[in-house]
Amino acid sequence: EIVLTQSPTTMAASPGEKVTITCRASSSVSYMHWFQQKSGTSPKPWIYDTSKLASGVPDRFSGSGSGTSYSLTISSMEAEDAATYYCLQRSSYPLTFGSGTKLEIK
Amino acid sequence: QIQLVQSGPELKKPGESVKISCKASGYTFTDYAMHWVKQVPGKGLKWMGWINTYTGKPTYADDFKGRFVFSLEASASTANLQISNLKNEDTANVFCVRGYGFAYWGQGTLVTVSS
Repeated sequence: EIVLTQSPTTMAASPGEKVTITCRASSSVSYMHWFQQKSGTSPKPWIYDTSKLASGVPDRFSGSGSGTSYSLTISSMEAEDAATYYCLQRSSYPLTFGSGTKLEIK
Repeated sequence: QIQLVQSGPELKKPGESVKISCKASGYTFTDYAMHWVKQVPGKGLKWMGWINTYTGKPTYADDFKGRFVFSLEASASTANLQISNLKNEDTANVFCVRGYGFAYWGQGTLVTVSS
């Protein structure tokens, strides 16, 4: 089983601040996928195939990485970005999620 | 538009069974697998497994073998999850998710197990 380790677990950012969330895999994966979840709602696809933004995702978000190290970056934090972000690998079964990063606005 | 609509919340006692449904619309049901994801309140996401909606073959993650059954009513574009012999630790929100991209999620079904 591929274990995904996300960091940080929680963080707070000020409006306009750059934010980076990392996801490290215990074995190499082909792609990483990211989801955004706000309280009481279903996760939403956010970034797929490592760097492609899902429909409607603002272009201040970006994704990058390869092998065992991936990241989600927000170039300039906005209040609406406060949420929990999860990474997901679909390269091998069982599919696994990271434990999540809770991002808050300062 | 593509939608996955799940059945409503359930309150069950330990040892009982529950069946959750996920009705798909807006696409050809048998063209995409259906996955199931568990989320304990306040915790992270855990993949339970998936079902091939064309063949009906289910695949379960190790933690979900034995008491969990994925099934289909393909004529109704519906995927089901049945959990038997419920335990307190089954209390969770359960999501159905369309395969190939995980782009579409059901709204979640909260299963509460309490005596």
